[in-house]
Amino acid sequence: GENVEQHPSTLSVQEGDSAVIKCTYSDSASNYFPWYKQELGKGPQLIIDIRSNVGEKKDQRIAVTLNKTAKHFSLHITETQPEDSAVYFCAATLGRGYGGSQGNLIFGKGTKLSVKP
Amino acid sequence: DGGITQSPKYLFRKEGQNVTLSCEQNLNHDAMYWYRQDPGQGLRLIYYSQIVNDFQKGDIAEGYSVSREKKESFPLTVTSAQKNPTAFYLCASSKRRDRGNEQFFGPGTRLTVL
Repeated sequence: GENVEQHPSTLSVQEGDSAVIKCTYSDSASNYFPWYKQELGKGPQLIIDIRSNVGEKKDQRIAVTLNKTAKHFSLHITETQPEDSAVYFCAATLGRGYGGSQGNLIFGKGTKLSVKP
Repeated sequence: DGGITQSPKYLFRKEGQNVTLSCEQNLNHDAMYWYRQDPGQGLRLIYYSQIVNDFQKGDIAEGYSVSREKKESFPLTVTSAQKNPTAFYLCASSKRRDRGNEQFFGPGTRLTVL
């Protein structure tokens, strides 16, 4: 079945540096790729997403890139701040080949980002 | 103030008891979901519902049950048949499920079996 691999599982950076988290997916029919930020004890919050007809999307300090050929997508955070510290999850939709499950999200296992002041 | 609410925030259950977790949304979303989250794991889908009076099993439905009698509400019952119920449970909703599945999550319920 569809699988989403996320790396690294933990990432520690110095404040002001950039952070990059990478995900790969297996279903070539996946067409939507969201990224979520989860703070301790809270529900995930959508921070950025990208659709399969777009290669890159930016929103202030965060950006996402998508390589459909290689089936991978990445989250880039520039000028990191201590409040960026959280667990980040990537996800990909199930495509047409999954029948009634089409459109459901499959999540990566998360990356714990620590930004040191 | 639109959003998704889950209650209670913390829930303790004795072995052999059924418990029901509440999820309500006022976003007018058609689709709703229940996920389970374990430490160091991603989110795993338990059940989902596209419309009122309809729901489908996700990847780990055994030991759980749901109902969708109202568009706004999607309660999850954790039954005594669930062998390892201690986890963080997340409810989500989306406008539609079939195209660009932007899901919004509630704050979660932490269930602990004593």
